[in-house]
Amino acid sequence: DTGVSQDPRHKITKRGQNVTFRCDPISEHNRLYWYRQTLGQGPEFLTYFQNEAQLEKSRLLSDRFSAERPKGSFSTLEIQRTEQGDSAMYLCASSLGLRRSQETQYFGPGTRLLVL
Amino acid sequence: ILNVEQSPQSLHVQEGDSTNFTCSFPSSNFYALHWYRWETAKSPEALFVMTLNGDEKKKGRISATLNTKEGYSYLYIKGSQPEDSATYLCAFGANNLFFGTGTRLTVIP
Repeated sequence: DTGVSQDPRHKITKRGQNVTFRCDPISEHNRLYWYRQTLGQGPEFLTYFQNEAQLEKSRLLSDRFSAERPKGSFSTLEIQRTEQGDSAMYLCASSLGLRRSQETQYFGPGTRLLVL
Repeated sequence: ILNVEQSPQSLHVQEGDSTNFTCSFPSSNFYALHWYRWETAKSPEALFVMTLNGDEKKKGRISATLNTKEGYSYLYIKGSQPEDSATYLCAFGANNLFFGTGTRLTVIP
């Protein structure tokens, strides 16, 4: 399967712990996005990368959140000092990145985080 | 934050019925409108990206229309099948997409 993959699929952690998620985009996709979905809501944009450059960050992305894409391939999203409000589905998507906008974003299956 | 609304929130239809849902979005500064289908425990699946006013797109039994001047898009499913049961999401924006809360469709065999 050559779609977007995410690891882990599920994570349970205690409040105050740090967690890190990984996303592997479709190969040759230059753009990578992170979204978060909480219960009853649609996905909310967090950040996106064009190759290794982080081009946009949502105000939802507090300073406890950091995302990286060091070599322009896979990306990691780290949450430090987790809080119960961080419990959500974290989705990653990728797109070709050849056009300014209007590209299809292909999503991974998500990482479901539960903070106890 | 852009307001994207979908209706209805949920829908139950009998197998073989045709159905449609609505997505409304800001009519100013239009970029693109995306439709996704999301089945439980799977990845959201891209259905359509629509960019031009009056656009109509079709994929099998599913089709969509777009009105950028009045800020709405319709998704139609003809002859619903149980495998169409999913949450249908629309999203508006450029690179950072703003999603609606989705329409949860259940097709009863």
